[in-house]
Amino acid sequence: SAVISQKPSRDICQRGTSLTIQCQVDSQVTMMFWYRQQPGQSLTLIATANQGSEATYESGFVIDKFPISRPNLTFSTLTVSNMSPEDSSIYLCSVDEGASGGPLRELFFGEGSRLTVL
Amino acid sequence: ILNVEQSPQSLHVQEGDSTNFTCSFPSSNFYALHWYRWETAKSPEALFVMTLNGDEKKKGRISATLNTKEGYSYLYIKGSQPEDSATYLCAFDNAGGTSYGKLTFGQGTILTVHP
Repeated sequence: SAVISQKPSRDICQRGTSLTIQCQVDSQVTMMFWYRQQPGQSLTLIATANQGSEATYESGFVIDKFPISRPNLTFSTLTVSNMSPEDSSIYLCSVDEGASGGPLRELFFGEGSRLTVL
Repeated sequence: ILNVEQSPQSLHVQEGDSTNFTCSFPSSNFYALHWYRWETAKSPEALFVMTLNGDEKKKGRISATLNTKEGYSYLYIKGSQPEDSATYLCAFDNAGGTSYGKLTFGQGTILTVHP
Protein backbone atom coordinates (compact mmCIF):
# COMPACT_ATOMS: atom_id res chain seq x y z
CA SER A 1 0.00 0.00 0.00
CA ALA A 2 1.12 3.53 -0.76
CA VAL A 3 2.73 5.62 1.95
CA ILE A 4 1.79 9.28 1.67
CA SER A 5 3.51 12.16 3.43
CA GLN A 6 1.90 15.55 3.73
CA LYS A 7 3.22 18.80 5.07
CA PRO A 8 2.56 20.94 6.89
CA SER A 9 0.58 18.82 9.31
CA ARG A 10 -1.03 21.95 10.69
CA ASP A 11 -0.79 25.68 10.36
CA ILE A 12 -2.45 28.84 11.53
CA CYS A 13 -2.81 31.38 8.78
CA GLN A 14 -3.89 34.96 8.45
CA ARG A 15 -6.81 35.98 6.33
CA GLY A 16 -5.79 36.94 2.80
CA THR A 17 -2.62 34.87 2.73
CA SER A 18 -1.95 31.70 0.73
CA LEU A 19 -0.53 28.38 1.84
CA THR A 20 0.86 25.50 -0.19
CA ILE A 21 0.43 21.93 1.00
CA GLN A 22 2.84 19.30 -0.26
CA CYS A 23 2.09 15.63 -0.83
CA GLN A 24 4.75 12.99 -1.47
CA VAL A 25 3.96 9.38 -2.36
CA ASP A 26 6.47 6.56 -2.04
CA SER A 27 5.53 5.08 -5.42
CA GLN A 28 4.56 6.36 -8.83
CA VAL A 29 0.84 6.91 -9.22
CA THR A 30 -1.20 8.16 -12.14
CA MET A 31 -3.76 10.20 -10.24
CA MET A 32 -3.60 12.01 -6.94
CA PHE A 33 -6.66 13.42 -5.23
CA TRP A 34 -7.12 16.38 -2.95
CA TYR A 35 -9.95 16.27 -0.41
CA ARG A 36 -11.15 18.76 2.16
CA GLN A 37 -13.11 18.29 5.36
CA GLN A 38 -14.59 21.42 6.80
CA PRO A 39 -15.68 21.26 10.45
CA GLY A 40 -18.79 19.10 10.79
CA GLN A 41 -18.88 18.33 7.08
CA SER A 42 -18.09 15.36 4.87
CA LEU A 43 -14.82 14.72 3.15
CA THR A 44 -15.25 16.42 -0.19
CA LEU A 45 -13.17 15.98 -3.32
CA ILE A 46 -11.57 19.23 -4.48
CA ALA A 47 -9.73 18.04 -7.58
CA THR A 48 -7.86 15.26 -9.28
CA ALA A 49 -4.22 15.94 -10.11
CA ASN A 50 -2.84 14.24 -13.20
CA GLN A 51 0.80 14.36 -14.14
CA GLY A 52 1.38 16.33 -17.31
CA SER A 53 -2.02 17.95 -17.52
CA GLU A 54 -4.16 20.42 -15.67
CA ALA A 55 -6.00 19.27 -12.61
CA THR A 56 -9.67 18.41 -12.90
CA TYR A 57 -11.77 20.36 -10.41
CA GLU A 58 -15.07 19.32 -8.88
CA SER A 59 -18.12 21.51 -8.89
CA GLY A 60 -17.68 24.42 -6.52
CA PHE A 61 -13.89 24.46 -6.67
CA VAL A 62 -11.85 26.61 -9.05
CA ILE A 63 -8.24 26.75 -10.09
CA ASP A 64 -7.73 30.36 -9.01
CA LYS A 65 -8.62 29.46 -5.44
CA PHE A 66 -6.98 26.02 -5.31
CA PRO A 67 -4.11 25.88 -7.81
CA ILE A 68 -2.55 22.44 -8.02
CA SER A 69 0.80 21.31 -9.33
CA ARG A 70 1.78 17.79 -10.36
CA PRO A 71 5.36 17.93 -11.58
CA ASN A 72 5.96 14.16 -11.46
CA LEU A 73 4.32 10.86 -10.61
CA THR A 74 5.15 10.98 -6.89
CA PHE A 75 4.47 14.57 -5.88
CA SER A 76 1.72 17.17 -5.87
CA THR A 77 0.98 20.48 -4.21
CA LEU A 78 -2.29 22.19 -3.39
CA THR A 79 -2.32 25.93 -2.71
CA VAL A 80 -5.16 27.51 -0.79
CA SER A 81 -5.19 31.09 -2.04
CA ASN A 82 -6.41 34.27 -0.45
CA MET A 83 -7.62 32.40 2.58
CA SER A 84 -10.67 33.24 4.64
CA PRO A 85 -11.93 31.63 7.85
CA GLU A 86 -14.22 29.43 5.72
CA ASP A 87 -11.09 27.71 4.39
CA SER A 88 -10.30 26.35 7.85
CA SER A 89 -10.34 22.63 7.16
CA ILE A 90 -8.38 19.45 7.07
CA TYR A 91 -6.90 18.98 3.61
CA LEU A 92 -6.06 15.43 2.59
CA CYS A 93 -4.03 14.07 -0.26
CA SER A 94 -4.90 10.59 -1.48
CA VAL A 95 -4.16 8.00 -4.12
CA ASP A 96 -6.10 4.92 -5.12
CA GLU A 97 -4.74 1.43 -5.42
CA GLY A 98 -6.18 -1.99 -5.91
CA ALA A 99 -7.84 -3.30 -2.77
CA SER A 100 -6.22 -6.46 -1.49
CA GLY A 101 -7.70 -9.59 -2.96
CA GLY A 102 -9.52 -8.18 -5.94
CA PRO A 103 -9.91 -5.62 -8.71
CA LEU A 104 -11.58 -3.05 -6.51
CA ARG A 105 -9.73 0.07 -5.61
CA GLU A 106 -9.46 1.82 -2.28
CA LEU A 107 -8.07 5.18 -1.28
CA PHE A 108 -4.90 5.71 0.70
CA PHE A 109 -4.58 9.01 2.45
CA GLY A 110 -1.94 11.25 3.89
CA GLU A 111 -2.28 12.29 7.50
CA GLY A 112 -3.83 15.57 6.50
CA SER A 113 -3.00 19.24 6.86
CA ARG A 114 -5.14 21.03 9.42
CA LEU A 115 -5.42 24.69 8.51
CA THR A 116 -6.91 27.33 10.75
CA VAL A 117 -7.51 30.72 9.19
CA LEU A 118 -7.88 33.67 11.55
CA ILE B 1 -25.94 15.65 -5.72
CA LEU B 2 -25.42 12.25 -4.11
CA ASN B 3 -26.63 11.93 -0.55
CA VAL B 4 -24.71 9.65 1.78
CA GLU B 5 -25.98 9.71 5.35
CA GLN B 6 -24.43 8.18 8.42
CA SER B 7 -26.04 7.68 11.79
CA PRO B 8 -25.58 8.28 14.56
CA GLN B 9 -23.28 11.29 14.32
CA SER B 10 -21.54 10.26 17.51
CA LEU B 11 -21.62 7.35 19.88
CA HIS B 12 -20.20 6.74 23.33
CA VAL B 13 -19.89 3.15 24.53
CA GLN B 14 -18.18 1.31 27.34
CA GLU B 15 -15.27 -1.01 26.77
CA GLY B 16 -16.60 -4.46 25.94
CA ASP B 17 -19.88 -3.23 24.46
CA SER B 18 -20.82 -4.18 20.95
CA THR B 19 -22.06 -1.42 18.71
CA ASN B 20 -23.18 -0.72 15.19
CA PHE B 21 -23.86 2.22 12.95
CA THR B 22 -25.47 2.85 9.61
CA CYS B 23 -24.62 4.28 6.23
CA SER B 24 -27.38 4.98 3.73
CA PHE B 25 -26.72 5.76 0.09
CA PRO B 26 -28.54 5.98 -3.26
CA SER B 27 -29.67 2.56 -4.44
CA SER B 28 -29.25 3.45 -8.11
CA ASN B 29 -26.01 3.35 -10.08
CA PHE B 30 -24.26 1.49 -7.31
CA TYR B 31 -20.70 0.32 -7.84
CA ALA B 32 -19.06 0.00 -4.43
CA LEU B 33 -19.39 1.04 -0.82
CA HIS B 34 -16.29 1.81 1.22
CA TRP B 35 -15.76 1.99 4.99
CA TYR B 36 -12.81 3.89 6.45
CA ARG B 37 -11.57 4.40 9.98
CA TRP B 38 -10.03 7.76 10.79
CA GLU B 39 -8.18 8.10 14.07
CA THR B 40 -7.24 11.53 15.32
CA ALA B 41 -3.96 12.82 13.83
CA LYS B 42 -3.67 9.79 11.57
CA SER B 43 -4.60 8.94 7.99
CA PRO B 44 -8.01 7.53 7.17
CA GLU B 45 -7.55 3.80 6.73
CA ALA B 46 -9.67 1.56 4.50
CA LEU B 47 -11.59 -1.12 6.35
CA PHE B 48 -13.78 -2.64 3.65
CA VAL B 49 -14.71 -2.21 0.02
CA MET B 50 -17.99 -3.95 -0.76
CA THR B 51 -19.81 -4.43 -4.03
CA LEU B 52 -22.27 -7.31 -3.85
CA ASN B 53 -25.75 -7.10 -2.39
CA GLY B 54 -25.85 -9.23 0.73
CA ASP B 55 -22.08 -9.14 1.08
CA GLU B 56 -20.64 -9.39 4.55
CA LYS B 57 -17.01 -8.67 5.34
CA LYS B 58 -15.08 -9.12 8.53
CA LYS B 59 -11.77 -7.92 9.89
CA GLY B 60 -11.10 -9.02 13.44
CA ARG B 61 -13.89 -7.66 15.65
CA ILE B 62 -15.25 -5.41 12.93
CA SER B 63 -17.71 -6.54 10.30
CA ALA B 64 -19.91 -4.89 7.71
CA THR B 65 -22.98 -5.83 5.72
CA LEU B 66 -24.33 -4.40 2.49
CA ASN B 67 -27.84 -4.02 1.08
CA THR B 68 -27.62 -2.37 -2.31
CA LYS B 69 -31.32 -2.74 -3.11
CA GLU B 70 -32.42 -0.63 -0.19
CA GLY B 71 -29.25 1.43 -0.05
CA TYR B 72 -27.72 0.81 3.35
CA SER B 73 -24.70 -0.72 5.03
CA TYR B 74 -24.10 -1.54 8.67
CA LEU B 75 -20.77 -1.55 10.44
CA TYR B 76 -20.54 -3.69 13.58
CA ILE B 77 -17.87 -3.65 16.25
CA LYS B 78 -17.92 -6.54 18.70
CA GLY B 79 -16.44 -6.05 22.16
CA SER B 80 -15.36 -2.44 21.63
CA GLN B 81 -11.93 -1.43 22.87
CA PRO B 82 -10.61 2.08 23.56
CA GLU B 83 -8.37 1.77 20.50
CA ASP B 84 -11.52 1.50 18.37
CA SER B 85 -12.22 5.15 19.16
CA ALA B 86 -12.19 6.92 15.80
CA THR B 87 -14.40 8.45 13.16
CA TYR B 88 -15.89 5.83 10.86
CA LEU B 89 -16.58 7.03 7.35
CA CYS B 90 -18.55 5.39 4.63
CA ALA B 91 -18.13 6.38 1.00
CA PHE B 92 -20.24 5.64 -2.04
CA ASP B 93 -18.79 4.89 -5.44
CA ASN B 94 -21.18 5.17 -8.36
CA ALA B 95 -18.48 5.69 -10.92
CA GLY B 96 -18.11 2.13 -12.12
CA GLY B 97 -14.41 2.28 -11.52
CA THR B 98 -13.87 4.72 -14.34
CA SER B 99 -13.35 7.71 -12.08
CA TYR B 100 -11.10 6.32 -9.45
CA GLY B 101 -11.01 8.20 -6.22
CA LYS B 102 -14.25 10.06 -6.80
CA LEU B 103 -16.03 8.85 -3.75
CA THR B 104 -18.92 10.58 -2.00
CA PHE B 105 -18.39 10.44 1.74
CA GLY B 106 -20.85 10.55 4.60
CA GLN B 107 -20.22 12.87 7.52
CA GLY B 108 -18.93 10.03 9.65
CA THR B 109 -19.81 8.47 12.97
CA ILE B 110 -17.53 9.49 15.84
CA LEU B 111 -17.09 6.52 18.17
CA THR B 112 -15.67 6.96 21.66
CA VAL B 113 -15.00 3.85 23.71
CA HIS B 114 -14.61 4.52 27.42
CA PRO B 115 -12.39 2.23 29.52
